Amino acid sequence: GIQVEQSPPDLILQEGANSTLRCNFSDSVNNLQWFHQNPWGQLINLFYIPSGTKQNGRLSATTVATERYSLLYISSSQTTDSGVYFCAVGASSGSARQLTFGSGTQLTVLP
Amino acid sequence: EPEVTQTPSHQVTQMGQEVILRCVPISNHLYFYWYRQILGQKVEFLVSFYNNEISEKSEIFDDQFSVERPDGSNFTLKIRSTKLEDSAMYFCASSGGVGHSPLHFGNGTRLTVT
Repeated sequence: GIQVEQSPPDLILQEGANSTLRCNFSDSVNNLQWFHQNPWGQLINLFYIPSGTKQNGRLSATTVATERYSLLYISSSQTTDSGVYFCAVGASSGSARQLTFGSGTQLTVLP
Repeated sequence: EPEVTQTPSHQVTQMGQEVILRCVPISNHLYFYWYRQILGQKVEFLVSFYNNEISEKSEIFDDQFSVERPDGSNFTLKIRSTKLEDSAMYFCASSGGVGHSPLHFGNGTRLTVT
């Protein structure tokens, strides 16, 4: 099946700093989503971005499908941004629609 | 905005007991999913469901697991005889029918097997 690798696995920032999280995937995709898992374990959908660029406030994401990667940018980070960020992809091959998750990036923002 | 709702939010059960986790997907969605996340690990796919039957399932989804859509709104995951290693967060998700669309996740049910 499709492989999803996220980097870095851990990231520690001071409040106000910017960061870039990366997601590489091994095959063509028709779905790519970024999630933030909060301290209560809830998966908060950030972006549905199988290709192109989107922005939502301090967060933006870019997916270059032809090169099989996606980037999540967090600007002016806040302590509430802490948590695990997951990239999840849906492979184009076959009829399956489920997502395959990466291992996540654990982000800690220090005050 | 429509949401996927899951109940209960927490469930504690004894080893060997049956549990049923419940989900109400978004009303006009056609595809339904269950995922699980063991503490500290990544989110893993269990099963997808479409047109009243399982469309895909993972190796994790063995004979101890079953899914059902008993009526027009609920989607359930049953674990027949729970084991300690079934302790995890279980997420339900749904997605729309035309073309490819995002999956919408519920807030999860945290299952603890003692």
